[in-house]
Amino acid sequence: DADVTQTPRNRITKTGKRIMLECSQTKGHDRMYWYRQDPGLGLRLIYYSFDVKDINKGEISDGYSVSRQAQAKFSLSLESAIPNQTALYFCATSDYRGETQYFGPGTRLLVL
Amino acid sequence: AQKVTQAQTEISVVEKEDVTLDCVYETRDTTYYLFWYKQPPSGELVFLIRRNSFDEQNEISGRYSWNFQKSTSSFNFTITASQVVDSAVYFCALSEAGPTGNQFYFGTGTSLTVIP
Repeated sequence: DADVTQTPRNRITKTGKRIMLECSQTKGHDRMYWYRQDPGLGLRLIYYSFDVKDINKGEISDGYSVSRQAQAKFSLSLESAIPNQTALYFCATSDYRGETQYFGPGTRLLVL
Repeated sequence: AQKVTQAQTEISVVEKEDVTLDCVYETRDTTYYLFWYKQPPSGELVFLIRRNSFDEQNEISGRYSWNFQKSTSSFNFTITASQVVDSAVYFCALSEAGPTGNQFYFGTGTSLTVIP
């Protein structure tokens, strides 16, 4: 079984809808991250969490929120989706040193 | 300024040719880590290698090799005798110690197409 899983893997939604992307990990890592990938821009950090009570904004947090329900779970929400949030979203984890990040399989989101 | 620069946006090679993907990084830390990830058309990110800043030895893994040169702040990736399955986007990344732990920075990726 994969160490970092993301659900759903693909999602189509309409402008204005609220959606949630979920991430679970079995690596026992404290740190979790959400990135989005757009063509030609690489990966950009949306939010990150170093433990259950810790939430930090990344480079592009506007329009997104997160919830760290447990050490193993980190959810990303789009409160009111807009078309320019169409992207590939990755969840990642790392241990407390944060030296290496391990990625989930990604979620393809299309906002119409 | 970009922390990690991958100047080659797209590269095409014919199968069996060798190809080198360039990566230049910028950091003031003495301790840092460099990575390469592969993203095949299916979309997942596959971890290829991690190097720490104290180990400048080049590494070879099958057809893959990495050349780490601190003097030029480069961490280049060479694929020898390329194959169609090597077609993917390749990302270079830097992890450096920030005030609250390691910060990760990705390059914009190099899209490699291997033509049969």
